[in-house]
Amino acid sequence: GQSLEQPSEVTAVEGAIVQINCTYQTSGFYGLSWYQQHDGGAPTFLSYNALDGLEETGRFSSFLSRSDSYGYLLLQELQMKDSASYFCALPSGGYNKLIFGAGTRLAVHP
Amino acid sequence: EAQVTQNPRYLITVTGKKLTVTCSQNMNHEYMSWYRQDPGLGLRQIYYSMNVEVTDKGDVPEGYKVSRKEKRNFPLILESPSPNQTSLYFCASSPQGENTEAFFGQGTRLTVV
Repeated sequence: GQSLEQPSEVTAVEGAIVQINCTYQTSGFYGLSWYQQHDGGAPTFLSYNALDGLEETGRFSSFLSRSDSYGYLLLQELQMKDSASYFCALPSGGYNKLIFGAGTRLAVHP
Repeated sequence: EAQVTQNPRYLITVTGKKLTVTCSQNMNHEYMSWYRQDPGLGLRQIYYSMNVEVTDKGDVPEGYKVSRKEKRNFPLILESPSPNQTSLYFCASSPQGENTEAFFGQGTRLTVV
């Protein structure tokens, strides 16, 4: 089957850089996605990696290593508004059927 | 504005009373799905649909039904709700293809007493 593991909580200070790791197990790999969810809100898409390497989108970057079954989300120049839960997700059995990790709660402090 | 709309946002009901949570998307997406979110468990897929009249079970389908009679709508039906279905529910839609960007509705917080 498919599964993803990520840390449950991460704490950082404003302006710092934080990395949220995700390791996965899957029989067929189609890509690794990241979503952000603020308290009381809906998950929103951040990034998608199909190939090894780093994808950069503004202050956020996502990295994938298919040989290590590992990815991470890198958040730079942290702001208070980045306090949220972050989920990695795997397509399972096709591009659109998503399996989510349990989520990492990021707390950004002044 | 491109969006996925769920209704209701909040619902308290009693055990055994049938209910329907509606979901509608205006992006002409082929793929729609329902998730439930529980503390510490992330989002778990209940049912998904790859197009009109094509639905399949996700990881936690017991106690739920869905239908996809029109492309834009994908209602979630609880025929006989039980307290263990108390949860936060999200509907999502996405286009077919390689990029698995899913667009989520604002969620429905359901309490079954």
